[in-house]
Amino acid sequence: GNSVTQMEGPVTLSEEAFLTINCTYTATGYPSLFWYVQYPGEGLQLLLKATKADDKGSNKGFEATYRKETTSFHLEKGSVQVSDSAVYFCALMNRDDKIIFGKGTRLHILP
Amino acid sequence: GAVVSQHPSRVICKSGTSVKIECRSLDFQATTMFWYRQFPKQSLMLMATSNEGSKATYEQGVEKDKFLINHASLTLSTLTVTSAHPEDSSFYICSAKGGVPNEKLFFGSGTQLSVL
Repeated sequence: GNSVTQMEGPVTLSEEAFLTINCTYTATGYPSLFWYVQYPGEGLQLLLKATKADDKGSNKGFEATYRKETTSFHLEKGSVQVSDSAVYFCALMNRDDKIIFGKGTRLHILP
Repeated sequence: GAVVSQHPSRVICKSGTSVKIECRSLDFQATTMFWYRQFPKQSLMLMATSNEGSKATYEQGVEKDKFLINHASLTLSTLTVTSAHPEDSSFYICSAKGGVPNEKLFFGSGTQLSVL
């Protein structure tokens, strides 16, 4: 079946540090891949997405590349800010429009 | 941009009562809505998929008589937790698919349900 595995948190970094949150997936077919972000007290927001192999999604300085050979979609940012503190969810969606989420990774950025 | 409004954001109720959660698409017609629940430190789990005018499709292990879903119009879906018990305490979140010209998926802000 379809599943998403992402690194457990919490992840604590200093401001301006480099961020990587690992995400791997298992899926039948060719799913679309997403990163969602949940800021404190708010709902989920789509951060970025990629719909096919080798696509790179990017937004707000975050990037993730759809790697079919390693079934991965790792999230990266070169220099994090305090305002990036949130919970990040890796997710996949197949043709049935059902989204399968990872467990989420809580990120704390220290000033 | 498209917005999905979910109400209430937080509800506390006594065991045995029923709670209704509303999910509205504010400026687009939602052909499909999804309901998820999230336990602490767990992932969001899909509960059911609802299409306007038809019965909801529930995921395996989700009690349809416990979690009543009504998708009465293209802008409103409701989730009613019937005879709530403490184990139903969770974070419930809806998403709506729609928008023109390209359909997208938008999430509500979620409802934290606490059953005493």
